[in-house]
Amino acid sequence: DIVMTQGVLPNPVPSGESASITCRSSKSLVYKDGKTYLNWFLQRPGQSPQLLTYWMSTRASGVSDRFSGSGSGTYFTLKISRVRAEDAGVYYCQQVREYPWTFGGGTKLELK
Amino acid sequence: AVQLVESGGGLVQPKESLKISCAASGFTFSNAAMYWVRQAPGKGLEWVARIRTKPNNYATYYADSVKGRFTISRDDSKSMVYLQMDNLKTEDTAMYYCTANIGDYWGQGVMVTVSS
Repeated sequence: DIVMTQGVLPNPVPSGESASITCRSSKSLVYKDGKTYLNWFLQRPGQSPQLLTYWMSTRASGVSDRFSGSGSGTYFTLKISRVRAEDAGVYYCQQVREYPWTFGGGTKLELK
Repeated sequence: AVQLVESGGGLVQPKESLKISCAASGFTFSNAAMYWVRQAPGKGLEWVARIRTKPNNYATYYADSVKGRFTISRDDSKSMVYLQMDNLKTEDTAMYYCTANIGDYWGQGVMVTVSS
């Protein structure tokens, strides 16, 4: 199974600053179609997860352009620009390159 | 508006069975692959199972932790997806979320507690 490992944020993050969340996969997530099958989700306290990006860098419908995904085949970053109060929560990366799909352990973002 | 509404959760004893359901509306259900994700209390997300669409022969996929015990199914005529859970274990205690496609839409979750 592909193991997803997420980094830790130096919390709390001052409002208005940028934050970068990292995720590493144990195997390349690039498929033969050239796409990288990596999703990012945000789970706010007490809520269901929300899809932020898919194919590593494509924002989901309605997601702010303050969120941007990037990376290589095995190392990924979600950058949040001008952090706001509503960005607080736990961020998860997920690989959908092969079954079983797997999530990272989550990275908590707290705001100052 | 898109809605996914889970139901059927509750308290069961180890080795018992439970079937949870998810009712979908607001999108073309028959065109959407569906999957279940669970979250144990205070823990992270765990992908559980996925079912594809009719053109993909309703192919199913499972996490290693539930393979052989859980069965995902769907009824396109009712816009429903189900998770039949057999031989339940205490470690299956979690909030179970229904989600569509690549995680575009999520339900509010249903709690399943396995305890003696």
